[in-house]
Amino acid sequence: ETGVTQSPTHLIKTRGQQVTLRCSSQSGHNTVSWYQQALGQGPQFIFQYYREEENGRGNFPPRFSGLQFPNYSSELNVNALELDDSALYLCASSWGGVHREEYFGPGTRLTVT
Amino acid sequence: QQQVKQSPQSLIVQKGGIPIINCAYENTAFDYFPWYQQFPGKGPALLIAIRPDVSEKKEGRFTISFNKSAKQFSLHIMDSQPGDSATYFCAAEVDNYGQNFVFGPGTRLSVLP
Repeated sequence: ETGVTQSPTHLIKTRGQQVTLRCSSQSGHNTVSWYQQALGQGPQFIFQYYREEENGRGNFPPRFSGLQFPNYSSELNVNALELDDSALYLCASSWGGVHREEYFGPGTRLTVT
Repeated sequence: QQQVKQSPQSLIVQKGGIPIINCAYENTAFDYFPWYQQFPGKGPALLIAIRPDVSEKKEGRFTISFNKSAKQFSLHIMDSQPGDSATYFCAAEVDNYGQNFVFGPGTRLSVLP
């Protein structure tokens, strides 16, 4: 098991609502990346936070936003939820603003109805 | 150009066999190629990674072969065990470029006892 934790484990929301997912990074890591993994597919990179700043972003709309806190934990916020947002949301932590030696948490399963 | 192609989609081998999973990429700027293993209900776990200046890397029963000229890399699992049954993802990153990290679509491996 990695030292990366995520909460909540599961979440059910209604279309149009907003959701906040949380991630605690592994000790010693200063970088957190978020991914969306649809059923049966590979993870898709949403964005990365390094030293509390967004350090890169994949092809996701602005309604996906995030924060990183001074202790390097992070939040993913999704506004105006759509049915297609139903997925496993993974966070991963690493050191140095890259994806090298990146360790994943167990994920949050979001269902949008 | 940002995609990583992965094959086969699924693979069944007998215990002790050597499953081989292949990945191909187009972006020659990629310079870090990890492989991840994911069990149902868990986040991906980093298995082994390689840089393009090395043609082969072994860690335990897992070996990456890398062919820079062909822009291909593969994962070999020696003496496969039923516990290796999982989904395997290849990925690729451009150094120091946080948003350029892509996963392949995954290979579901089943190792029969």
